[in-house]
Amino acid sequence: GAGVSQSPSNKVTEKGKDVELRCDPISGHTALYWYRQRLGQGLEFLIYFQGNSAPDKSGLPSDRFSAERTGESVSTLTIQRTQQEDSAVYLCASSARVAGAFSTYEQYFGPGTRLTVT
Amino acid sequence: TQLLEQSPQFLSIQEGENLTVYCNSSSVFSSLQWYRQEPGEGPVLLVTVVTGGEVKKLKRLTFQFGDARKDSSLHITAAQPGDTGLYLCKGGSQGNLIFGKGTKLSVKP
Repeated sequence: GAGVSQSPSNKVTEKGKDVELRCDPISGHTALYWYRQRLGQGLEFLIYFQGNSAPDKSGLPSDRFSAERTGESVSTLTIQRTQQEDSAVYLCASSARVAGAFSTYEQYFGPGTRLTVT
Repeated sequence: TQLLEQSPQFLSIQEGENLTVYCNSSSVFSSLQWYRQEPGEGPVLLVTVVTGGEVKKLKRLTFQFGDARKDSSLHITAAQPGDTGLYLCKGGSQGNLIFGKGTKLSVKP
């Protein structure tokens, strides 16, 4: 597809259940990012994948959160034992790696998955 | 710790008015971007600035990068209801990407 896609668009789950959120980046984009956005707030960085390098997991809020990426394509964000405070929109973005030392870090975002934990 | 402060946090104006929103930091960035996010959607890239003092125009939107590459401003001329949204700035430097918390703009007809 032309842009970043995410599924599902909406997810309602009961507290304590596990959820999986999927992101399909733009073809050829080597970098992939996950963010969390609570209602009316800015973007909170979660995790970053760049090619075959070890992911930057420094933004994951707890060990209930994990993410995987298959090569340079699909990524899955998993939240185990969901809590009500996990309710938010989860955004995925991808960017192309620019050759050389300088990168403009232009990111292209998907529409997000709205997660509601009841 | 790198931070990007955006101001104002909220702005509500009438159609046709001009406005400026700001993005400030004590850190130097190699590039800075502005995004607009509409309700229910992901942020959409508006512009990238990379050179200190750079000015870019996108129709009624004018973006400026500070001379020291620590701050930026976005000026909208004759705002329209379609400009309503959350405006986010993002700074990039040596692999670190920092988002501001955004300015929520509402333009009333």
